Amino acid sequence: AQSVSQHNHHVILSEAASLELGCNYSYGGTVNLFWYVQYPGQHLQLLLKYFSGDPLVKGIKGFEAEFIKSKFSFNLRKPSVQWSDTAEYFCAVAGGTSYGKLTFGQGTILTVHP
Amino acid sequence: KAGVTQTPRYLIKTRGQQVTLSCSPISGHRSVSWYQQTPGQGLQFLFEYFSETQRNKGNFPGRFSGRQFSNSRSEMNVSTLELGDSALYLCASSLDGNSGNTIYFGEGSWLTVV
Repeated sequence: AQSVSQHNHHVILSEAASLELGCNYSYGGTVNLFWYVQYPGQHLQLLLKYFSGDPLVKGIKGFEAEFIKSKFSFNLRKPSVQWSDTAEYFCAVAGGTSYGKLTFGQGTILTVHP
Repeated sequence: KAGVTQTPRYLIKTRGQQVTLSCSPISGHRSVSWYQQTPGQGLQFLFEYFSETQRNKGNFPGRFSGRQFSNSRSEMNVSTLELGDSALYLCASSLDGNSGNTIYFGEGSWLTVV
């Protein structure tokens, strides 16, 4: 069975600091990878996705992620965070017998202090 | 175009009752999946439907069921509600649930069981 692990439960940063959130998955076959963000009181929004091709993908709001197949990782990065980035971030994987089913990581709460 | 629409947004039910939640996918999307989000368990996959057929099922008891109609709209039902069923129920849709599909989420239905 697939599993997804996010390295940090809660990350606290000051504005302008750089961000890297770790994500590792267990499935060895072809996967579709996603990062979603959930702002307080809001629904899941897609930040970025990787299906194939260039392993460095860019998403909305200045976020990017790098797929490293050999490490089964899909880490999320942002060079300079803003207070408005305060949210919970979820890494998710689809693959194997069904690409319509997402397996989520535990989520990482990001708090950015002004 | 309209996103994934879920109704009702909020509801309160009593233990032992049943509940039906509705989801309208993005126009043209034929794969619909459901997830339960709780603080303790995070985001867990319930089931996925495609062309009115359940294609995948998560590890939930038989009290949780769903269906999909010919217009791709989907409903999920929880019978004999328990306090632990209190959660945010999220519906997601994608084109056909195959590799390369982006999966979009609705705003969710908040269920409180008292």
